[in-house]
Amino acid sequence: DAGVTQSPTHLIKTRGQHVTLRCSPISGHKSVSWYQQVLGQGPQFIFQYYEKEERGRGNFPDRFSARQFPNYSSELNVNALLLGDSALYLCASSLRLAGESSNEQFFGPGTRLTVL
Amino acid sequence: KNQVEQSPQSLIILEGKNCTLQCNYTVSPFSNLRWYKQDTGRGPVSLTIMTFSENTKSNGRYTATLDADTKQSSLHITASQLSDSASYICVVSGTGTASKLTFGTGTRLQVTL
Repeated sequence: DAGVTQSPTHLIKTRGQHVTLRCSPISGHKSVSWYQQVLGQGPQFIFQYYEKEERGRGNFPDRFSARQFPNYSSELNVNALLLGDSALYLCASSLRLAGESSNEQFFGPGTRLTVL
Repeated sequence: KNQVEQSPQSLIILEGKNCTLQCNYTVSPFSNLRWYKQDTGRGPVSLTIMTFSENTKSNGRYTATLDADTKQSSLHITASQLSDSASYICVVSGTGTASKLTFGTGTRLQVTL
C-alpha cells in the first residue's frame, strides 16, 4: 500500500509568483493536514481538511489557501510568494481528525519550496 | 498560548550509549502526546502516542514517559545506533478548541562511532 505522496518533490519560484502543491493521502484516510517547516524548526500547522471541509486553520496569511477533493486528495496554494515562504511543506493524512487520541498521522516526504 | 518546548536543542552521543530527550508543554486541556522521528529532508515518522491515562509506552528501543500532572514527557533511546541520528519532535494535542497539534522545535540527535 502506498503511503502519503506529495508532488512535486522540489520547486523553485521567484517572489510574487504563485505555487500549487499536491498531496494524495493513504487510501481510506479522510483527513489531510498541511504544515510548513522552516529549516531548523518544527512543523507549523497551516490547514486541516476532513471530509472535504476545512476543520482548522493555523496562523498564516490569506495568501495561503487549500482544498480537498472528492477523492480526498488535497492542494495547497500560495499566492504572491515571499522569500520567507521558502520551506519544506509537509502533508499528513489520518483516518480521523488529526488531534484525536490514538489517531495516528502519517506524513508524506514533503515538497521543498525555494523562493528566490 | 499553547506551547511545546524541547531540550536539549541538540545532542551528540557515542553509538551504543543511551540518551533521554525532554519535552515540556503548556497545552490545555490535554488530549495526547506524540513523539516523532524525522530524518533530514524527510517527513516525520510516528514513534509513540500517549493519552492522559498512559504514563509509559515503548516502541523497540524507544521508551516514552508522560507525567500529565507536571506536563512533562521524555523519550529514552536505549543502545543507540547510527540510524538513530535524526530530529525527534514532541507533539501535543489538546481537546476542544485546543485540539490542533502543537509541535516542538525538536532535538537534533547525532550518534557517532
